[in-house]
Amino acid sequence: AQTVTQSQPEMSVQEAETVTLSCTYDTSENNYYLFWYKQPPSRQMILVIRQEAYKQQNATENRFSVNFQKAAKSFSLKISDSQLGDTAMYFCAFKGANAGKSTFGDGTTLTVKP
Amino acid sequence: KAGVTQTPRYLIKTRGQQVTLSCSPISGHRSVSWYQQTPGQGLQFLFEYFSETQRNKGNFPGRFSGRQFSNSRSEMNVSTLELGDSALYLCASSLGRVGPETQYFGPGTRLLVL
Repeated sequence: AQTVTQSQPEMSVQEAETVTLSCTYDTSENNYYLFWYKQPPSRQMILVIRQEAYKQQNATENRFSVNFQKAAKSFSLKISDSQLGDTAMYFCAFKGANAGKSTFGDGTTLTVKP
Repeated sequence: KAGVTQTPRYLIKTRGQQVTLSCSPISGHRSVSWYQQTPGQGLQFLFEYFSETQRNKGNFPGRFSGRQFSNSRSEMNVSTLELGDSALYLCASSLGRVGPETQYFGPGTRLLVL
């Protein structure tokens, strides 16, 4: 079974600064996707970024980028130029061959301070 | 394309009652998965439906059931409600291919059991 661990329950960052959220996972599969989802207080789960395990290049989406270390089973999210709207809970998720099921970490609550 | 929609958004029930939640996936998506989100347990996978058939199931009691219609819309039913069923219920849709793929989430249904 897969497990996803987010070791930082809460983090804060000043507006315009950079913050990195950590995630580690465990799996015996070789073909999988990893995701970071954002869940603001409104509760809508929004996809932030996706990484395919077979790709060596780290995914980037505007201010969001990941550091994917496949051998170490590590998948961190870097948010650059943090904005107040980035305040949310962030979930790291694993999606392998197991149909329809994503495995989520416990989440990291990020607060961006003005 | 319109996103995943869920109805109702909020629901209050009493113990012993039953409830039905609805989820309409993104157009063209044939897989619908359901998750329960609680502060104590995080996000837990309930089940997944694909082409009107349950393809995967999480570790929940038989009081939790679902179905999918020919237009890929899905319903989830919880019978004999317990206080511990109070949660945010999220559905997610995807194309339904075998192997890793991205799930897109709806806004959720907040269920409160009194």
